[in-house]
Amino acid sequence: GAVVSQHPSRVICKSGTSVKIECRSLDFQATTMFWYRQFPKKSLMLMATSNEGSKATYEQGVEKDKFLINHASLTLSTLTVTSAHPEDSSFYICSARAVTPNEQFFGPGTRLTVL
Amino acid sequence: AQSVTQLGSHVSVSEGALVLLRCNYSSSVPPYLFWYVQYPNQGLQLLLKYTTGATLVKGINGFEAEFKKSETSFHLTKPSAHMSDAAEYFCAVSDTGGGNKLTFGTGTQLKVEL
Repeated sequence: GAVVSQHPSRVICKSGTSVKIECRSLDFQATTMFWYRQFPKKSLMLMATSNEGSKATYEQGVEKDKFLINHASLTLSTLTVTSAHPEDSSFYICSARAVTPNEQFFGPGTRLTVL
Repeated sequence: AQSVTQLGSHVSVSEGALVLLRCNYSSSVPPYLFWYVQYPNQGLQLLLKYTTGATLVKGINGFEAEFKKSETSFHLTKPSAHMSDAAEYFCAVSDTGGGNKLTFGTGTQLKVEL
């Protein structure tokens, strides 16, 4: 149980385009989902906390207008990278919080490459 | 603010040897501590966690970690490495439990050699 999926697993796009990444909790409901960014040889950096039915809470330094987060249902959160640029290329990982246990379950990640 | 330091970005051990991955943390409140493992192209999987109580925590796949408050450490060990243990390992800290904001270390890549 407690499986989280992400789609797509890899995406390559041109500079200036927008990319949407989906995060789904497959067998549990998640009122809270988290979005992380992982740079090569770096730790995961929390970008934002997404709560179902309300606005996401962004970490300091994360542009909310660039990284749009929507959590429209208890099983789906989306991250849209708007007007992507090469510096946005990274590995994006989501997690979903289960009520019991109080734990985050992580998705497999999405590799974004902006040309 | 919380932080995690993982000493050694790469650790190499022989199969059957002891695995020791180091983690030191900084927290202004009693911490919740976690170890996660990440296999290539996969998400993070929880190995073990410390919340309260017993300071020696046992996890999956034969791993364990000991919370040492005086040393602000939470090192991960396994008595005998297996080839399947080769992966990236992340230590993380939270001030309010695993379901809330986690601060991660930079990770340690474990290589297991024959």
